Amino acid sequence: SQQGEEDPQALSIQEGENATMNCSYKTSINNLQWYRQNSGRGLVHLILIRSNEREKHSGRLRVTLDTSKKSSSLLITASRAADTASYFCATVSGGYNKLIFGAGTRLAVHP
Amino acid sequence: ETGVTQSPTHLIKTRGQQVTLRCSSQSGHNTVSWYQQALGQGPQFIFQYYREEENGRGNFPPRFSGLQFPNYSSELNVNALELDDSALYLCASSLWGNEKLFFGSGTQLSVL
Repeated sequence: SQQGEEDPQALSIQEGENATMNCSYKTSINNLQWYRQNSGRGLVHLILIRSNEREKHSGRLRVTLDTSKKSSSLLITASRAADTASYFCATVSGGYNKLIFGAGTRLAVHP
Repeated sequence: ETGVTQSPTHLIKTRGQQVTLRCSSQSGHNTVSWYQQALGQGPQFIFQYYREEENGRGNFPPRFSGLQFPNYSSELNVNALELDDSALYLCASSLWGNEKLFFGSGTQLSVL
């Protein structure tokens, strides 16, 4: 079963614009992570935010976490065509590192 | 490039057959997890291995089994294949206690 729900399911923007993806989850978490997947292949870890953090930055990425609303957002600023990929949020809860993924947002950035 | 390698990259099997997928962990990683990703969906956790023992399992039947070897490489075995087993199978390695996973490029399994 999927823990998270990403919104929107698909997003199409022009290069240089910002892209915002949202994720909602159902249970309490230890941390929330965002991953990127190109063309249905392996996932690449982007950023991790812990349950006691509210915002985190990494390069052009900004992640927020609202545990009261059980939601997170990923902002990619000044997008590039190379950012075209699927983006997944994944939550971790419990004693071992089991990731529960949402269904993902497909981002298309047009030159 | 994560350093996690999976083989084969593609595989075609028929219903009822058995399949073994292989994963070589990133150097220094002692934990391996397997995920199943159906088309258009997010990955679903199958199980995790640490110190050659299963350390957690998702909602998958017993015909999904695994092994972890002393060099931390791993196998995923699926018996009595069903059409719904068609998916991308992803292996991820990590260091025990570290939440960040490093994924391989996956094995695309088609069951006909």
